[in-house]
Amino acid sequence: AQSVTQLDSQVPVFEEAPVELRCNYSSSVSVYLFWYVQYPNQGLQLLLKYLSGSTLVKGINGFEAEFNKSQTSFHLRKPSVHISDTAEYFCAVSEYGGATNKLIFGTGTLLAVQP
Amino acid sequence: DVKVTQSSRYLVKRTGEKVFLECVQDMDHENMFWYRQDPGLGLRLIYFSYDVKMKEKGDIPEGYSVSREKKERFSLILESASTNQTSMYLCASRAGLSYNEQFFGPGTRLTVL
Repeated sequence: AQSVTQLDSQVPVFEEAPVELRCNYSSSVSVYLFWYVQYPNQGLQLLLKYLSGSTLVKGINGFEAEFNKSQTSFHLRKPSVHISDTAEYFCAVSEYGGATNKLIFGTGTLLAVQP
Repeated sequence: DVKVTQSSRYLVKRTGEKVFLECVQDMDHENMFWYRQDPGLGLRLIYFSYDVKMKEKGDIPEGYSVSREKKERFSLILESASTNQTSMYLCASRAGLSYNEQFFGPGTRLTVL
């Protein structure tokens, strides 16, 4: 069975500072990895995903994430955050394969950007 | 752009009522999902459907049922609402295989009194 751990429930950061949101996963098979963002009062939208190939993945709004197989991690980073990045961020994992495979979400990290 | 719509943003019901939450997607996606979102618990899958009239239980199906009579519509049914079903409900759709993006609706915040 797969699982996703986001150890930080909330990360406060000042505007223009760098940020890293941590994600670790557990799975006995190969997986796809995703980061989704949820702005206040909205549904989730995809930030980026890792399927295969280069371990550094670039997404929207200046975010990037690095897949580390040995550490089973997929941490999300941004070199300089803006007030508008305040949102909840969810890491998710899905097994390789068919259409019936589910997406397993972490518990989320609230990024609170302060002026 | 893919659009996933949910019938209500806010809903207030009484204990014991039958509740229908509707979700419609406009991109001909095969897969549709219902999640509930609670603080500190993230998103938990209730049910999903990978084709018309097909459904599979997710991680927390108890107290819920679903219906998918048409490809674009996926309904979540609370047969007899209870206070512990007060939550945010999110619908999503996805084309084909598991590496594809899930597109989410804006959510329905359900309060059961």
